[in-house]
Amino acid sequence: QKEVEQDPGPLSVPEGAIVSLNCTYSNSAFQYFMWYRQYSRKGPELLMYTYSSGNKEDGRFTAQVDKSSKYISLFIRDSQPSDSATYLCAMDASGGSYIPTFGRGTSLIVHP
Amino acid sequence: NAGVTQTPKFQVLKTGQSMTLQCAQDMNHNSMYWYRQDPGMGLRLIYYSASEGTTDKGEVPNGYNVSRLNKREFSLRLESAAPSQTSVYFCASSSDRVEAFFGQGTRLTVV
Repeated sequence: QKEVEQDPGPLSVPEGAIVSLNCTYSNSAFQYFMWYRQYSRKGPELLMYTYSSGNKEDGRFTAQVDKSSKYISLFIRDSQPSDSATYLCAMDASGGSYIPTFGRGTSLIVHP
Repeated sequence: NAGVTQTPKFQVLKTGQSMTLQCAQDMNHNSMYWYRQDPGMGLRLIYYSASEGTTDKGEVPNGYNVSRLNKREFSLRLESAAPSQTSVYFCASSSDRVEAFFGQGTRLTVV
């Protein structure tokens, strides 16, 4: 079992839908939880991050961390066709070298 | 601000040929990484460098070597390319645990 599990999808939704993307993990030492967005034929870019537990909101995006369940989520409200991309979760622990562990990524398609 | 620059963007190799993928960053980051990305497999770490002069193996190092030439540059070498190394390769750099900056990727095909 990989340390970080993420359903690869694809997830296809109509424009305006609320999207929920999720990852589970097994390493209880993870403290940093990131979401990257990767457009086709581009490198990943950081979308948002959360340290430890709780929620964080940035415009239409909300990141949630539930450390008791080892489960993180990214919600996208009022989804747009421009949100179509692959979303990768990433996690890291405190201490030692900076080496994030990535999920496989979920492909999201928002159709008009 | 160029960020992370990778060269080349595309490459086709014959089995057994060698090549070096170049990566340079202009953000004064200590940490640099090489990943490969295959369909359904996500990003897999090949090698990383926590600082100038140090390199360590990642999840899938076999068949690859790296050089941290200086703080800016981190190269990945395939000594004898195999079809299993057909992939998209990404270089990244970071200064903290939160954000890694990625290059545009190198699409490598080994025939």
